[in-house]
Amino acid sequence: GAGVSQSPSNKVTEKGKDVELRCDPISGHTALYWYRQSLGQGLEFLIYFQGNSAPDKSGLPSDRFSAERTGGSVSTLTIQRTQQEDSAVYLCASSLGGGGYTDTQYFGPGTRLTVL
Amino acid sequence: AQKVTQAQTEISVVEKEDVTLDCVYETRDTTYYLFWYKQPPSGELVFLIRRNSFDEQNEISGRYSWNFQKSTSSFNFTITASQVVDSAVYFCALSGTNQGGKLIFGQGTELSVKP
Repeated sequence: GAGVSQSPSNKVTEKGKDVELRCDPISGHTALYWYRQSLGQGLEFLIYFQGNSAPDKSGLPSDRFSAERTGGSVSTLTIQRTQQEDSAVYLCASSLGGGGYTDTQYFGPGTRLTVL
Repeated sequence: AQKVTQAQTEISVVEKEDVTLDCVYETRDTTYYLFWYKQPPSGELVFLIRRNSFDEQNEISGRYSWNFQKSTSSFNFTITASQVVDSAVYFCALSGTNQGGKLIFGQGTELSVKP
């Protein structure tokens, strides 16, 4: 079946611009996660959606970052007023969502963001 | 604190050699899960294995095997008779009861298998 998909695959933007990154989870998965992968920081958790519960935003690095999930499926990660340190690969993952920490997360191909 | 340490940043082997990737973790959770993911040059993280904290049986899947030892907080990964296609970055990760759904990743080990 179809895996997690993300778009765009690459995004180049100028400092100060806003960007939106999209994630389509695996069909039937109720949990969705965003991570960031950068050279200096490795793989960092950003935000976690589980069904209709309030998202866990504990990993968002600043208030310039926000995410929403519409209709319990597609998610959009928005970065406002981008900075050069936001350059990274943004990875989305989804899981069945039945057990929180017990779930296996399946990852998409990522969006490579470059802020000039 | 939750932490995963992969002390080996890079490993280079010649095809057909066996190689072990080390993973050491720290957690205060009594119940937790450990994972290994593979990230080939294409960039996508591929799930390899999940192990819960109550199951210390070693696991073998083809050329891959995993050794979980709670006493030393380690979850090591061995590839037998390595192949060029095994070249990738391998990540060990941890999730626990008090961490919600988030995964805590190690820094990754870059494995290069040369023909």
